[in-house]
Amino acid sequence: AQTVTQSQPEMSVQEAETVTLSCTYDTSENNYYLFWYKQPPSRQMILVIRQEAYKQQNATENRFSVNFQKAAKSFSLKISDSQLGDTAMYFCAFMKLTGGSNYKLTFGKGTLLTVNP
Amino acid sequence: DVKVTQSSRYLVKRTGEKVFLECVQDMDHENMFWYRQDPGLGLRLIYFSYDVKMKEKGDIPEGYSVSREKKERFSLILESASTNQTSMYLCASTSRLGGGNQPQHFGDGTRLSIL
Repeated sequence: AQTVTQSQPEMSVQEAETVTLSCTYDTSENNYYLFWYKQPPSRQMILVIRQEAYKQQNATENRFSVNFQKAAKSFSLKISDSQLGDTAMYFCAFMKLTGGSNYKLTFGKGTLLTVNP
Repeated sequence: DVKVTQSSRYLVKRTGEKVFLECVQDMDHENMFWYRQDPGLGLRLIYFSYDVKMKEKGDIPEGYSVSREKKERFSLILESASTNQTSMYLCASTSRLGGGNQPQHFGDGTRLSIL
């Protein structure tokens, strides 16, 4: 079974600064996806960024980027130029691609990020 | 635009009642999921469905059942509600196209209180 660990229950950052959220995972799989989801106070969960395990290049989406270290099983999220609208709960998630997983996600417990003005 | 609609934002029920939570998606997605979200525990998968009338247990199926009679609708049923099922329930759907790189689309959630 896969496990996803987010070791920081809460974090805060000043507006315009950079913050990094950590995520580690445990798996024996070789083919999988990793995701970061964001849940703002309005509650609808949305995808922030995704990474395919077979790609060595780190994914980026505007101000969001990841540091994917496959050997270390680490998948951190960096938010640059933080904005007030980035205040949310952030979840790291793992999806294996073998064995008929039917695209199930395993989520971490989340990190509550607060961006202060 | 993609839409996953959960029938209620807030719901209050009594212990022992049979409770139905409804979820509808308009994206013709094959896969649908029910999660519960609790503080400090993240999201935990209750059940998922990969086709009409097909279902599989997730990590915490005890006390729950599901129904998927039509592709767009996935219902979560609490057979006899108990106070420990007070939680936020999230529905999600995703397409099988793309081999897994498609995101799950979530509804707004139903905050269920069992008294």
